Amino acid sequence: DTEVTQTPKHLVMGMTNKKSLKCEQHMGHRAMYWYKQKAKKPPELMFVYSYEKLSINESVPSRFSPECPNSSLLNLHLHALQPEDSALYLCASSPVRGLNEQFFGPGTRLTVL
Amino acid sequence: KQEVTQIPAALSVPEGENLVLNCSFTDSAIYNLQWFRQDPGKGLTSLLLIQSSQREQTSGRLNASLDKSSGRSTLYIAASQPGDSATYLCAAQNTGNQFYFGTGTSLTVIP
Repeated sequence: DTEVTQTPKHLVMGMTNKKSLKCEQHMGHRAMYWYKQKAKKPPELMFVYSYEKLSINESVPSRFSPECPNSSLLNLHLHALQPEDSALYLCASSPVRGLNEQFFGPGTRLTVL
Repeated sequence: KQEVTQIPAALSVPEGENLVLNCSFTDSAIYNLQWFRQDPGKGLTSLLLIQSSQREQTSGRLNASLDKSSGRSTLYIAASQPGDSATYLCAAQNTGNQFYFGTGTSLTVIP
């Protein structure tokens, strides 16, 4: 199973809402990633978790809060977002050791009103 | 910081043609280089991964090469098909699980 799943597929939220994005993988990967992608641009790295510990935070605003409850799950908690945060949010995972190939989920299309 | 660029930004070819996509990176101390395709509004699909000790990888009609000393990778697509139309992205991995993505090449294969 080389699948990374993400829920929801689409999310519309107001600037005062609190919502969460969820990502799951069952490939035994020990690194998980959140990326943000705007239209016609490459993915921008937001966070990396390695062995369930936050290892990289690319100076992301605090209105984005990641969480890695276990080795299979990754959440991104959203609060007080701005319209410019509207984007495709992609989750990925990789083994860390050996052939460190990244696998991506289908993404969550987020619209902030 | 690693910088990755891809040329051309867009490419349009007739069906059946062979084509080459280019990826350049500034820091040759890479761990892996991975090629992806992305269809509009979708996630990324892994095509090929080349480890730093390898020179090339092949999968079906795709062949990717890596030249660390010159900071370049190429993705060769043989006998292109309309279904190959997508955006192709390369990503260089330095140590520490950090992947740096290129700017992408938008490919259109005309039937």
